[in-house]
Amino acid sequence: SQQGEEDPQALSIQEGENATMNCSYKTSINNLQWYRQNSGRGLVHLILIRSNEREKHSGRLRVTLDTSKKSSSLLITASRAADTASYFCATAQGAQKLVFGQGTRLTINP
Amino acid sequence: GAVVSQHPSWVICKSGTSVKIECRSLDFQATTMFWYRQFPKQSLMLMATSNEGSKATYEQGVEKDKFLINHASLTLSTLTVTSAHPEDSSFYICSARDPLVDTQYFGPGTRLTVL
Repeated sequence: SQQGEEDPQALSIQEGENATMNCSYKTSINNLQWYRQNSGRGLVHLILIRSNEREKHSGRLRVTLDTSKKSSSLLITASRAADTASYFCATAQGAQKLVFGQGTRLTINP
Repeated sequence: GAVVSQHPSWVICKSGTSVKIECRSLDFQATTMFWYRQFPKQSLMLMATSNEGSKATYEQGVEKDKFLINHASLTLSTLTVTSAHPEDSSFYICSARDPLVDTQYFGPGTRLTVL
């Protein structure tokens, strides 16, 4: 079953702008991960944030986690056309099982 | 990052036939692999968890006799869709968990079309 809800479902911005996507979940987690999926392709792991972390950076990506609100956000700064993809959050339940959010379809317009 | 491969990348078959999809972790040993299916413009739905050397654990609503999973080695899991029907047409994605870094790496997916 799907646990996460992502907001917005679709986002279209101009190249160079920042893109922010949000994810909410319902149960306690060990960690939360963000993935990118280009159309018709597999998932690429972007970043993992553990439940005891509040913020994490990786290049142009910034992820925050608020366990009290059961929410996370993914910020992509200085967006590029190549960032066009669907972005999914996934929470780890128990030892290993990942539960995915519905995803945000991001379109970067040149 | 770690590499997970899937074969084939796409397959078209006739209704009633069986299709086998392979998932391999190429540069790490995966004691656990996962199989997902994804319908167009939707998220990934976990079908089953595959543990090396033991029976797979299926999610609620997934028919274990229809979706046969075998995880015979630390680098290979297979999903066989038996007696495929058009409603089985979907994008099937596997992932393999690297226990050393506690991260799942995903294969490129297999698009199955059943005529």
